[in-house]
Parts: sequence; C-alpha cells; structure tokens
Amino acid sequence: GAVVSQHPSRVICKSGTSVKIECRSLDFQATTMFWYRQFPKQSLMLMATSNEGSKATYEQGVEKDKFLINHASLTLSTLTVTSAHPEDSSFYICSAKGGLTWETQYFGPGTRLLVL
Amino acid sequence: GEDVEQSLFLSVREGDSSVINCTYTDSSSTYLYWYKQEPGAGLQLLTYIFSNMDMKQDQRLTVLLNKKDKHLSLRIADTQTGDSAIYFCAESRNTGGFKTIFGAGTRLFVKA
Repeated sequence: GAVVSQHPSRVICKSGTSVKIECRSLDFQATTMFWYRQFPKQSLMLMATSNEGSKATYEQGVEKDKFLINHASLTLSTLTVTSAHPEDSSFYICSAKGGLTWETQYFGPGTRLLVL
Repeated sequence: GEDVEQSLFLSVREGDSSVINCTYTDSSSTYLYWYKQEPGAGLQLLTYIFSNMDMKQDQRLTVLLNKKDKHLSLRIADTQTGDSAIYFCAESRNTGGFKTIFGAGTRLFVKA
C-alpha cells in the first residue's frame, strides 16, 4: 500500500517550453501532496505544499508563476514548469500524505528534467 | 533553527553493522523518519518512530531516539551490498502547518 507514481520519469525539453509532471497516489487518497527539488548529491528542497481543491503554498524563494501546481483531486497533483530554462534542470520528487499513517509522506520515484 | 544534521559518508564491510547518526534541533518534532534513496530513484520510507518512543526494531533495522539529546540513529544489522544508498533522516512537526525537514543524507557504501 501507499504507492505514489510520477510521470514522466525523465524528460528533455528545449529552453522556453513548458513541462508538466504528474504525481498520483495509486492506492490511497492524498489529502496533501508535496513537491521537492533535489540537486545532485544534495538533500530535498521543499518547493510547495498542495492540498486538494485549494491553492498551493509555496516556500520562500520559489516562483509560483514559474512552478504551477494543481491538485485537482485526492489522487492527482501536477507540477508545470513554465518557460523552462537550463537552470531548471533537476530531479523533481513528489510525495503524498494520507492513508493509514496520515503523518507519513510517501514519495514518488522522481522525474529528471533536462532543459537544453 | 530547522537543522537536521547527518554525517555525509559511511563505509562498512559486508556483514558488519552500520550505524547512521542524525541530530535535530526542534524539540516539538512529532515523528522522525529514515528514508533510503537509491541512485536515480525517489525516497523509500524505511521506518519511522514517534517522538515518545525510545526504540523501534524492524527486522535488520533498529532506530534509537534520544529525545533529550535530540539524537536519532539507524542501525542496519548484517549490512549487505544492496544496502548501499543514501539514507535521509527527517523530522516532522505540526506547528501551524505540517512540515518535514530533511537532513543532507548519509551515503552508505558497503564493501564486499
């Protein structure tokens, strides 16, 4: 139980284009989903927290107009990187909270984004 | 502060025990977690401990919590090469909003 999937697993795009990443909780309803960014050999940096049906809460320094988050249902959240630039290249990981252990986050496998 | 600190690297021989240590600063932490990350993958929850517990054992994994010293450790018995990964310590707190703070991760290297 408590499986979280992400799609795509990796994506390469041209600079200036937008990329959408999906995060799904497969066997539980996620009241809250989180989006993280991880740079090589570093820890996770929380970008934003999203609750189903409400606007995401962004961490300081994260541009909400650049990283659009939609949490339309209890099993799906999307992160759209708009007008992507090479510096947006990173490993994006989502997590979901819910299910039996409501305090615990379950992580997706991550999406590697490369912007050329 | 919000710091969760871990040593960055640990090397052990196959069959030995590994002990990964973590310190945190916030005494209001509710849960403390250990996650495992293999190359190119997301984080896998290994185990967690509630802040009013001292110890939790799950097969080869033993978590010890010293709340007074704000020290958390993960012991892996009979370490195998498949245990080579990065291990993240994390704490969660609910102070006006749920937040999880991660350490920088300890890279465990198991020598055959």
